[in-house]
Amino acid sequence: EIVLTQSPATLSLSPGERATLSCRASQSVSSYLAWYQQKPGQAPRLLIYDASNRATGIPARFIGSGSGTAFTLTISSLEAEDFAVYYCQQCSNWPPNTFGQGTKLEIK
Amino acid sequence: QVQLVQSGAEVKRPGASLKVSCKASGYTFTGYYMHWVRQAHGQGPEWLGWINPKSGDTRSAQKFQGRVTMTRDTSINTAYMELSRLKSDDTAVYYCARDRDRLDYYFDYWGQGTLLTVSS
Repeated sequence: EIVLTQSPATLSLSPGERATLSCRASQSVSSYLAWYQQKPGQAPRLLIYDASNRATGIPARFIGSGSGTAFTLTISSLEAEDFAVYYCQQCSNWPPNTFGQGTKLEIK
Repeated sequence: QVQLVQSGAEVKRPGASLKVSCKASGYTFTGYYMHWVRQAHGQGPEWLGWINPKSGDTRSAQKFQGRVTMTRDTSINTAYMELSRLKSDDTAVYYCARDRDRLDYYFDYWGQGTLLTVSS
């Protein structure tokens, strides 16, 4: 089973700052990686798929990059509504998808 | 607009079964695979399986094989997930989630979640 390790566990930043979240896979997943945002009491929301493609309606400040085993989600300038938990998900190998344990992005 | 509306919270005893419904609207129900995902408190999501609403074909994660049954009723655009022989560590929020495109395993729309509590 492919294990996804997200870092840091918690990231404390202020609105307007740049956020950089990391996701590392235990083996290559090519570009079959997604990022989700989850707010308390809500379902996850798809942000990025295939490592770098923004899902429908996702603002341009959300940028996905990487391939193989190392991936990054960058939020170029944080807005108040961006503070949430972020999960990465791989869709490369059987089981066909596994999720990381999440990075909590909190207001500093 | 796409909506997935799930059935309400449940409390079950160990050994019992859970059945969750997921009513879809705003798109062609038979045109997209439907997945089931669960999330224990404070944990990342965990995939249970999918159903093809058009054919009724299903596939589940190995961990849940023999315990999970996924069905659908195309006349009412509703998918169902039944989990049997419940244990305390099945306590979680259960979601249905639509596959984005031709079984790429990305989930673009989610239900609101159904909280299951398993307790004696």
